Amino acid sequence: DVKVTQSSRYLVKRTGEKVFLECVQDMDHENMFWYRQDPGLGLRLIYFSYDVKMKEKGDIPEGYSVSREKKERFSLILESASTNQTSMYLCASSFRRGGSTIQYFGAGTRLSVL
Amino acid sequence: TQLLEQSPQFLSIQEGENLTVYCNSSSVFSSLQWYRQEPGEGPVLLVTVVTGGEVKKLKRLTFQFGDARKDSSLHITAAQPGDTGLYLCAGGYSGAGSYQLTFGKGTKLSVIP
Repeated sequence: DVKVTQSSRYLVKRTGEKVFLECVQDMDHENMFWYRQDPGLGLRLIYFSYDVKMKEKGDIPEGYSVSREKKERFSLILESASTNQTSMYLCASSFRRGGSTIQYFGAGTRLSVL
Repeated sequence: TQLLEQSPQFLSIQEGENLTVYCNSSSVFSSLQWYRQEPGEGPVLLVTVVTGGEVKKLKRLTFQFGDARKDSSLHITAAQPGDTGLYLCAGGYSGAGSYQLTFGKGTKLSVIP
């Protein structure tokens, strides 16, 4: 089974703190993604990476950065957390099969910024 | 930006009833995935459809991809409380560099015992 593991299920941080969200996948997938999910807004793509050390901005990259030093690990960084970054954060990895892109998700990290 | 519209947004039904959830777009997709997400968890892949007109069955769930590959439906027969969750559809594209999926906002299903 594909396994995408997010380091924390719940996090509570203070405004202004630097926050690291870690994600590891065990299927040697090339592509990894970070989303945030908010009620009424659905899944919104923050950043993705299609190879080690490569990254691309998604739809809402402001206030976030990412790091991919190893193929299996993709980190999301909140440089200075703000209350509007309180959300559910989802990591995914993907591969292509027969022309389809299949994404697998971690269990999510619910981040509260106070 | 390609959009996927899901309907209905919310659905509350009694155990044993049937239901259909729709996913529509003006864009053509090379594939379409359906996910189910339970509260506090990440989405879990249910099925992928890739051929226009394709129908796939997963126990009491039937998935259909439209002939033009612009829309899809999920039909649940005799819904059970365990079917409760958020159902997401996601469209994918073919071609080099096509890494991303476009997600609908989801249908939140509640099945009341």
